[in-house]
Amino acid sequence: SSELTQDPAVSVALGQTVRITCQGDSLRSYYASWYQQKPGQAPVLVIYGKNNRPSGIPDRFSGSSSGNTASLTITGAQAEDEADYYCNSRDSSGNPVFGGGTKLTVL
Amino acid sequence: QLQLQESGPGLVKPSETLSLTCTVSGGSISSSSYYWGWIRQPPGKGLEWIGSIYYSGSTYYNPSLKSRVTISVDTSKNQFSLKLSSVTAADTAVYYCARLAAAAGTWWFDPWGQGTLVTVSS
Repeated sequence: SSELTQDPAVSVALGQTVRITCQGDSLRSYYASWYQQKPGQAPVLVIYGKNNRPSGIPDRFSGSSSGNTASLTITGAQAEDEADYYCNSRDSSGNPVFGGGTKLTVL
Repeated sequence: QLQLQESGPGLVKPSETLSLTCTVSGGSISSSSYYWGWIRQPPGKGLEWIGSIYYSGSTYYNPSLKSRVTISVDTSKNQFSLKLSSVTAADTAVYYCARLAAAAGTWWFDPWGQGTLVTVSS
């Protein structure tokens, strides 16, 4: 079982704001990174560190953290944002660990 | 632009060893700033970190797979490889390679290879 917990599914109306969360004790000490995965494709990094976006990632994606919870916020969700989203951080041994993933549906 | 490409057999028999290679292009695997990792994803399921390696050869493995996993690096070919022994149907997955960057308080996998499906079946 993952040491990072994500809601299995979240939905958002087109153009609205959605927050996807990731919970785990390691998040009290380490930032999460976030990945978007569309069907049949490899994951793509969308947020890393405190709130850093790789080149090419729209600024509607942002990250934040509070206590044991990291959040990925999409402000003004677009149809193309429909995908699975995974958080990643460290487990209690310091090894990389992924959350179980959240399926985002844009209505 | 850094690119990673996985290669290897798409079908492996039960009890045999799965072998994959990741070829890095557009950059050096010998960069002191990065690690290199393998991640897998069973059909319809989430991501699982398998292990990581530094260009010097230092390795880090998922404890749940450690007894069966070997990751190695060939800096002369700009490649790193995965071997997973005694495979079963539970090892059927898409296997990804990725670069792992680490900084104070965080790390991240970027970029990723396109992934390769490995099926374990007789």
